[in-house]
Amino acid sequence: QLQLQESGPGLVKPSETLSLTCTVSGGSISSNRDYWGWIRQPPGKGLEWIGNIYYSGSTYYNPSLKSRVSISVDTSKNQFSLKLSSVTAADTAVYYCARLGSHGGVSYWGQGTLVTVSS
Amino acid sequence: QSALTQPPSASGSPGQSVTISCTGTSSDVGGYNYVSWYQQHPGKAPKLMIYEVRKRPSGVPDRFSGSKSGNTASLTVSGLQAEDEADYYCNSYAGSDNFVVFGGGTKLTVL
Repeated sequence: QLQLQESGPGLVKPSETLSLTCTVSGGSISSNRDYWGWIRQPPGKGLEWIGNIYYSGSTYYNPSLKSRVSISVDTSKNQFSLKLSSVTAADTAVYYCARLGSHGGVSYWGQGTLVTVSS
Repeated sequence: QSALTQPPSASGSPGQSVTISCTGTSSDVGGYNYVSWYQQHPGKAPKLMIYEVRKRPSGVPDRFSGSKSGNTASLTVSGLQAEDEADYYCNSYAGSDNFVVFGGGTKLTVL
């Protein structure tokens, strides 16, 4: 059974960079059928797609976040990571890592991790 | 990248059927047969209920069904049960540039 687990700081200061890592177990991140991505949900609000990465390193980012987002993959550790720069309070959210199909369907989700942006 | 439009709320009594809509454009919902639906209970991660408009993953009851007409996709929950009370989100493939877009979510209440 595939499992995804987010890790990283739960508190980030404004203007700094949010960094999260997702560890994949029960399957290989090098699958040629899957994309690995990040989705966030501000408290009490809906889901927002942040971006995806393919095991080869190809990336896709939400146009509204593209200038601040970077997603990378480490196949040797079966992990992928998110960096979001210049954060503000509006970036406070539960961040989910996920496995997506080639056309956007999310088949597996991590449990989510709350990241709060505050000084 | 605009969010897909869902009604903020829907409701029905146990045993009844409820349909939730998800409206996009010809660049997402209308352009591809890649609409998915997710169920989210409070404090939990979303769960995939429908993919590719009408396909159900293993383990999802056949009370859940999906359809699409033009730029609008729909999720129908038949034979409502108390455990169906949750938030429901749609998403759609939106092409290689935008990849995927989500709806704003619908809170389903079982009366």
